[in-house]
Amino acid sequence: QVQLQESGPGLVKPSETLSLTCTVSGGSLNSNADYWAWIRQPPGKGLEWIGYMYYSGTTNYNPSLKSRVTISLDMSRNLFSLNLSSVSAADTAIYYCARERWTPMVRGVMDSWGQGALVTVSS
Amino acid sequence: DIQMTQSPSSLSASVGDRVTITCRASQRIDNFLNWYQHKPGEGPKVLIHAASTLHSGVPSRFSGSGSGTDFTLTISSLQPEDFATYYCQQSYINPRTFGQGTKVEVK
Repeated sequence: QVQLQESGPGLVKPSETLSLTCTVSGGSLNSNADYWAWIRQPPGKGLEWIGYMYYSGTTNYNPSLKSRVTISLDMSRNLFSLNLSSVSAADTAIYYCARERWTPMVRGVMDSWGQGALVTVSS
Repeated sequence: DIQMTQSPSSLSASVGDRVTITCRASQRIDNFLNWYQHKPGEGPKVLIHAASTLHSGVPSRFSGSGSGTDFTLTISSLQPEDFATYYCQQSYINPRTFGQGTKVEVK
């Protein structure tokens, strides 16, 4: 059973870069069935997909954040990361990492999630 | 982007009630539609994928239906552990998009 755990600073200053890490256990980042994703939830609001990365290096980002987002994989440590630059208060949210799985039986299902990490943008 | 619209935004129900939540996509998404349950302090959990397939380990009181643009999640007999927020999500195309959520509260 794959497990994901987010980690990183809970407080980031405006205009700086938000950096989070998702450690994966019980599964491998170089699986050809899986995309490694980030999703966020601002306070009192719904879920917003940030983007994902595939083991081959392919990425896809939400156009609303694309100019500020980088997702990367570290195969040696079995973790993936999110960098979001030039943050503002609007980026305050709970950030989740998740696995999106594609197999003949499941098509594009986020079947494993971390518990979330609250990041507050404030000076 | 494909817009996903859920209704209602919230509902009040009692244990044992039948609950129905609808989700409409702004364009056809075949059956690339997933349903998640979300409780505070936890990551969302998938209930239904491919519009109507019960995910492994999910109780059979949950069911999904629909194809194209209109989808439904039904809880046949609401249990105490089912009070939560429910989201639909399309995996037809990027960017992935979610409905705004339906909060199921105690009546």
